[in-house]
Amino acid sequence: GEDVEQSLFLSVREGDSSVINCTYTDSSSTYLYWYKQEPGAGLQLLTYIFSNMDMKQDQRLTVLLNKKDKHLSLRIADTQTGDSAIYFCAESLSGYSTLTFGKGTMLLVSP
Amino acid sequence: NAGVTQTPKFQVLKTGQSMTLQCAQDMNHNSMYWYRQDPGMGLRLIYYSASEGTTDKGEVPNGYNVSRLNKREFSLRLESAAPSQTSVYFCASSDEGPTYGYTFGSGTRLTVV
Repeated sequence: GEDVEQSLFLSVREGDSSVINCTYTDSSSTYLYWYKQEPGAGLQLLTYIFSNMDMKQDQRLTVLLNKKDKHLSLRIADTQTGDSAIYFCAESLSGYSTLTFGKGTMLLVSP
Repeated sequence: NAGVTQTPKFQVLKTGQSMTLQCAQDMNHNSMYWYRQDPGMGLRLIYYSASEGTTDKGEVPNGYNVSRLNKREFSLRLESAAPSQTSVYFCASSDEGPTYGYTFGSGTRLTVV
């Protein structure tokens, strides 16, 4: 079955890089996503990566995928206080199947 | 751009009461979903509807029913609310394919006392 694990909390200083990690169990996972949830709001899609990719970069965000270890990471460069939020990793077996979410990592950025 | 709209935003129910959570999307998406979010549990899928006229159970469907009223609207009903259903409920919608992921509503915070 599908299972997605994340560490629960990360604290960094403003200007540092943040790295949020995620592991998944289903090697059939085809698409992997990162979502951001700000307080009192729904989830917003940040980025996604296909399983045939190793890396994807989008401005300050870098996603790395290690299929062998079933490990996904999200790096946020030059982290700002506005990046403080909960970050969810999610997987799907195909583009048409439902998403399975991790429990979320709370990122706290201090000035 | 409204996206996904959920009503109400907050609700307090007594044990045994019933209520319907409403969700509507204006993006012409085929698929719609209901998740619940609990501390330390992440998001868990309650029900989903891959297309108008179809609904399927997710991970935690017990105690809930859904109706896909039309392509725009997908409602979640609690027939006899229990304290264990205290949670934040999110509706989401998606188009075919992974590119855009899911679009989420802002949530309904439900407390059952």
